[in-house]
Amino acid sequence: SYVLTQPPSVSVAPGQTARITCGGNNIGGKNVHWYQQKPGQAPVLVVYDDSDRPAGIPERLSGSNSGNTATLTISRVEAGDEADYYCQMWDTLSDHWVFGGGTKLTVL
Amino acid sequence: EVQLVESGGGLVQPGGSLRLSCAASGFTFSSYWMHWVRQVPGEGLVWVSRIDSDGRSTRYADSVKGRFTISRDNAKNTLYLQMNSLRAEDTAVYYCARDADVTVAGSPFDYWGQGILVTVSS
Repeated sequence: SYVLTQPPSVSVAPGQTARITCGGNNIGGKNVHWYQQKPGQAPVLVVYDDSDRPAGIPERLSGSNSGNTATLTISRVEAGDEADYYCQMWDTLSDHWVFGGGTKLTVL
Repeated sequence: EVQLVESGGGLVQPGGSLRLSCAASGFTFSSYWMHWVRQVPGEGLVWVSRIDSDGRSTRYADSVKGRFTISRDNAKNTLYLQMNSLRAEDTAVYYCARDADVTVAGSPFDYWGQGILVTVSS
């Protein structure tokens, strides 16, 4: 089955840029979605179809996808961005949905 | 306002059964595919199952196939997950989630319930 690989943790100072990667075989040819999950809360969709944002998600969050890596970029990081972030895609071969292992973003 | 509210969780012994429900409101439930996703406390999200709009097509993760059954009652705006032959490793918070766009394959999950804890232990 398809595997999505994320770094367990990313740390960044306030005001800086955080980049969270999601690796997968030829992932650039697939649509990748990103979710933010804060402690004790349900996940929230923050980027879909590689780079689109749902209503209400700030422009500071953006996504890209090429080759074997999809990336969620958070610019001008704020304390409120501290959360776990998960990438997700649909595996066409198995007709299953796959999540990455998640990345904990720590704001220093 | 879209709302998804899970219920039916709790403590069950290994080998036992449990049925989760997810009550939907604020949208035309019968027009959307729905999913179940679970999360072991402290760990990541894992997709469990999905059902299409009219309940005719279902898919399961390999870890639950043959033990779990997803279903829906569009007249009651409710999604279900029947869980049989439960194992300790099924212990998790279970979320129901809405598939954003039935016309687009692989669309994201745009609304999630608050989650319900299922604990499998003797």
